[in-house]
Amino acid sequence: SQKIEQNSEALNIQEGKTATLTCNYTNYSPAYLQWYRQDPGRGPVFLLLIRENEKEKRKERLKVTFDTTLKQSLFHITASQPADSATYLCALGLLNSGYALNFGKGTSLLVTP
Amino acid sequence: DTEVTQTPKHLVMGMTNKKSLKCEQHMGHRAMYWYKQKAKKPPELMFVYSYEKLSINESVPSRFSPECPNSSLLNLHLHALQPEDSALYLCASSLTGVGNQPQHFGDGTRLSIL
Repeated sequence: SQKIEQNSEALNIQEGKTATLTCNYTNYSPAYLQWYRQDPGRGPVFLLLIRENEKEKRKERLKVTFDTTLKQSLFHITASQPADSATYLCALGLLNSGYALNFGKGTSLLVTP
Repeated sequence: DTEVTQTPKHLVMGMTNKKSLKCEQHMGHRAMYWYKQKAKKPPELMFVYSYEKLSINESVPSRFSPECPNSSLLNLHLHALQPEDSALYLCASSLTGVGNQPQHFGDGTRLSIL
């Protein structure tokens, strides 16, 4: 069966450190992968998109890697801040479902001062 | 503020009621989506509209009936819902729905079925 797994339900790190979140998938052949941030009571907010032929994408303090051989994406937040505390969702876009998104369960990140 | 507006923000209804959720976007997007999200779970796709036509229905029960009156509006009509239908209902849009595009989400309607 198809699965999207994010490494942990919760991740606690100290302010200023780099947070690394993992997204693994099985039995998928995704055309691309997206990362979203969701705050309590709010809808997800798009952060980054990476295509299957791209290895790495950056945006400010965010970096995403995509390894289709390992079937894994890593999401990094450098110089983390308490304001980065949120749930981070990875989502796969599938060619054969009109590019509809399938989401992982998310990782709840807590950055403490 | 999000660019996708959903109303109402909260809705409480009985199992025999009929109500509708509304979603609006003015970004010129031609693909719109309904997702259902239970507490501490990821959003689950329900329906996709592309150019005002229903393109994907993820085997959603008929008590949920989507409608796309025009390219800016998306409705979800509710009838005879069950308590397990209580959830956050999210609307999203993307440029065309074909290809690799980010989705823009509203903040959802929190639905409670009594």
